[in-house]
Amino acid sequence: DQQVKQNSPSLSVQEGRISILNCDYTNSMFDYFLWYKKYPAEGPTFLISISSIKDKNEDGRFTVFLNKSAKHLSLHIVPSQPGDSAVYFCAARTIQGAQKLVFGQGTRLTINP
Amino acid sequence: DAGITQSPRHKVTETGTPVTLRCHQTENHRYMYWYRQDPGHGLRLIHYSYGVKDTDKGEVSDGYSVSRSKTEDFLLTLESATSSQTSVYFCAISEPDREAAFFGQGTRLTVV
Repeated sequence: DQQVKQNSPSLSVQEGRISILNCDYTNSMFDYFLWYKKYPAEGPTFLISISSIKDKNEDGRFTVFLNKSAKHLSLHIVPSQPGDSAVYFCAARTIQGAQKLVFGQGTRLTINP
Repeated sequence: DAGITQSPRHKVTETGTPVTLRCHQTENHRYMYWYRQDPGHGLRLIHYSYGVKDTDKGEVSDGYSVSRSKTEDFLLTLESATSSQTSVYFCAISEPDREAAFFGQGTRLTVV
């Protein structure tokens, strides 16, 4: 059973516009949600996170929104830049020990000039 | 990169042979993890460690074993490699008071 789902395998956005990546989850015990960015032949890189007690977290061009009632989070990138082209993974963590992450399937974002 | 080195970076092996992947960290982080990445599945947890000699199974642990004899090293062993274990393997580390885990560069393993 997939506890974290990214239903869009790919997304194409024009440079300068807003990119919105979505993620849904089923486990109400998740206490932290994270977004990772991954380039080919590299490891995932931590991008931004949000605690389950918040509904928004912003870091420069990146903003993550959390809607607990809908069990949904989204990552907004504005303005989108060519270097943002990568695969983005949503991940979630439970309160219990060892901070194990559960990942979504990933969304490939392509920024077109 | 957060002081994480995976070796080897690439490996081709034959079905039925044992394979060991190594993860070395210089951050003295308590937690270490092994994930595999496959198309359509994202990253899935194989095994993790919460201290020296303390390990536990993840979501996809069948056919894998791990060992952690020192804080800095976490080994993943495929006891008898199968074609279904062809994947990209990532090691990650984290600390109890930090929300994010940090990943190594990955090992691409092909079982033929």
